[in-house]
Amino acid sequence: SQTIHQWPATLVQPVGSPLSLECTVEGTSNPNLYWYRQAAGRGLQLLFYSVGIGQISSEVPQNLSASRPQDRQFILSSKKLLLSDSGFYLCACLAGPNYGYTFGSGTRLTVV
Amino acid sequence: GNSVTQMEGPVTLSEEAFLTINCTYTATGYPSLFWYVQYPGEGLQLLLKATKADDKGSNKGFEATYRKETTSFHLEKGSVQVSDSAVYFCALRGYSTLTFGKGTMLLVSP
Repeated sequence: SQTIHQWPATLVQPVGSPLSLECTVEGTSNPNLYWYRQAAGRGLQLLFYSVGIGQISSEVPQNLSASRPQDRQFILSSKKLLLSDSGFYLCACLAGPNYGYTFGSGTRLTVV
Repeated sequence: GNSVTQMEGPVTLSEEAFLTINCTYTATGYPSLFWYVQYPGEGLQLLLKATKADDKGSNKGFEATYRKETTSFHLEKGSVQVSDSAVYFCALRGYSTLTFGKGTMLLVSP
């Protein structure tokens, strides 16, 4: 079974600063990978997904970008954070046919 | 496109009460269906799933049956515990992504 590692667990960043969140996957190869954001008290918003190295699909145009430099590594970035970027960021991996996602433990980002 | 509709929360129950959280979906074909649970400050965990019509997923006393005729996947538990307090998400699998409902918060008091 897959295991997803996300770090850091919490992050407080000033407005205008850069961001880099990393996600790595164990226990599978060539996975589909996903970044979701969950605003306080709200549902899940799909931000990006990737079906392979260098392949990124953006679901919501905004102040963020994603990259997949290695098969089991998925990075979420921003050059300049906005207050509206605050939220709980979740990385997920698709576990296989007829399966759902395996999620990481998330990163709580607060932009101040 | 695909969509999932869940009942609005919060759902507030006393311990040992019966739980139902409604979930209906709109999709092309017969997608796999899932329930996820999120405890405070944590990521989502898969609670149960069903891959075809009339399948019943079950785990930790929770059950949900894939109803094709009503396009529903309602979550039930016969006797909730305080430790079941969490947010519950219904989801369906599309080609390469999952579509989630907005989540239903469950609060169980002793």
